[in-house]
Amino acid sequence: DTGVSQNPRHKITKRGQNVTFRCDPISEHNRLYWYRQTLGQGPEFLTYFQNEAQLEKSRLLSDRFSAERPKGSFSTLEIQRTEQGDSAMYLCASSLDRPTGELFFGEGSRLTVL
Amino acid sequence: DQQVKQNSPSLSVQEGRISILNCDYTNSMFDYFLWYKKYPAEGPTFLISISSIKDKNEDGRFTVFLNKSAKHLSLHIVPSQPGDSAVYFCAASGSNDYKLSFGAGTTVTVRA
Repeated sequence: DTGVSQNPRHKITKRGQNVTFRCDPISEHNRLYWYRQTLGQGPEFLTYFQNEAQLEKSRLLSDRFSAERPKGSFSTLEIQRTEQGDSAMYLCASSLDRPTGELFFGEGSRLTVL
Repeated sequence: DQQVKQNSPSLSVQEGRISILNCDYTNSMFDYFLWYKKYPAEGPTFLISISSIKDKNEDGRFTVFLNKSAKHLSLHIVPSQPGDSAVYFCAASGSNDYKLSFGAGTTVTVRA
């Protein structure tokens, strides 16, 4: 399977704990995106990378959130001191390097904060 | 700030009939529009797109219509099939803007 891969698929944690999600994009895609989706809403943009450079961050990405893409390959999204409001599906997508390119999404990582 | 709006959260249609999904946008800088389909426990998958230089794009049973003056687009599925039951998201982006803005989605149920 050469699609976008995310893990873990589901993470249950207690409030205040740190969690990390990993995304492996399609190998030839140099752009990588993180989105968050809550119940009844569409995906909301969090951040994106071109290769290893983080080019844009949404105001939704508070200082408890950090994303990295070392070496321009896989990416990690870490949430520190989780809150119940962080419970959501975290979606990763990748694309080729053109503005109107289609985004290819992974299956998502669902976070439940108790 | 919801720049892409899908005002119908759900749609029920009989198999074989036409499904029409609507989407409105507020950002006049948007010039590329996409529809994504999502099944439960899966990520969204690309369905069809349209550039602002066109007013219609067709791909098999799926047709997207764009009315720039009204800032409105629609997706027509004809004939509707049971496998079309899913959540459909409208998305948009502007020139040189690599990210997509999504609507809240419309859940389509195709009845046998």
